[in-house]
Amino acid sequence: QLQLQESGPGLVKPSETLSLTCTVSGGSISSSSYYWGWLRQPPGKGLEWIGNIYYSGSTYYKPSLQSRVTISVDTSKNQFSLKLSSVTAAETAVYYCARHTRINIYGLLIAGNVDNWGQGTLVTVSS
Amino acid sequence: DTQMTQSPSTLSASVGDRVTITCRASQSISSWLAWYQQKPGKAPKLLIYKASSLESGVPSRFSGSGFGTEFTLTISSLQPDDFATYYCQQYNGYFQTFGQGTKVEIK
Repeated sequence: QLQLQESGPGLVKPSETLSLTCTVSGGSISSSSYYWGWLRQPPGKGLEWIGNIYYSGSTYYKPSLQSRVTISVDTSKNQFSLKLSSVTAAETAVYYCARHTRINIYGLLIAGNVDNWGQGTLVTVSS
Repeated sequence: DTQMTQSPSTLSASVGDRVTITCRASQSISSWLAWYQQKPGKAPKLLIYKASSLESGVPSRFSGSGFGTEFTLTISSLQPDDFATYYCQQYNGYFQTFGQGTKVEIK
């Protein structure tokens, strides 16, 4: 049974870098059938997609976050990570790691729907 | 970005009611739409993918339909466990977006 577990600091200061890691168990991050991703949800608000990574290292990010986001993968540890720089208080949220299906759209192999979620971790941005 | 608009934002219903939630896309997304259920303090759960495909293990009272820009999630007979918030998500390309959510409350 696949499990994803987020880990990292629960408190980050404004203007600093948020760093989280997702450890995948019960399945291989190197599977060709999936993408891996990060999403977030501010308290009391809706879901926001941040970005995706394939085990090969190819990534794509939400355009409005692109300049500040890095998602990386460590296949030897079955982990992937999120770094978000220059955070503000508005980025206080529950951050989820997730497994996405890999689908073919118009000849492009991209991330599809999420089929497995981590439990989420609350990251507060405050001084 | 493709914007997703759900309606209503809140829905009050009784056990046994038939419930329909609508999701509209700002441009055509073919059938690349998923529906999720989220309960307080929990991660979302996949219900429907590719507009109308029922995820394994999800009760058959949930169904999805639509194509292009208009989609619906229907719960044929609302059960106590179904009171939650529902989100649609489009994945018609590299960048994914979610609707703002529909909260299904007890009437």
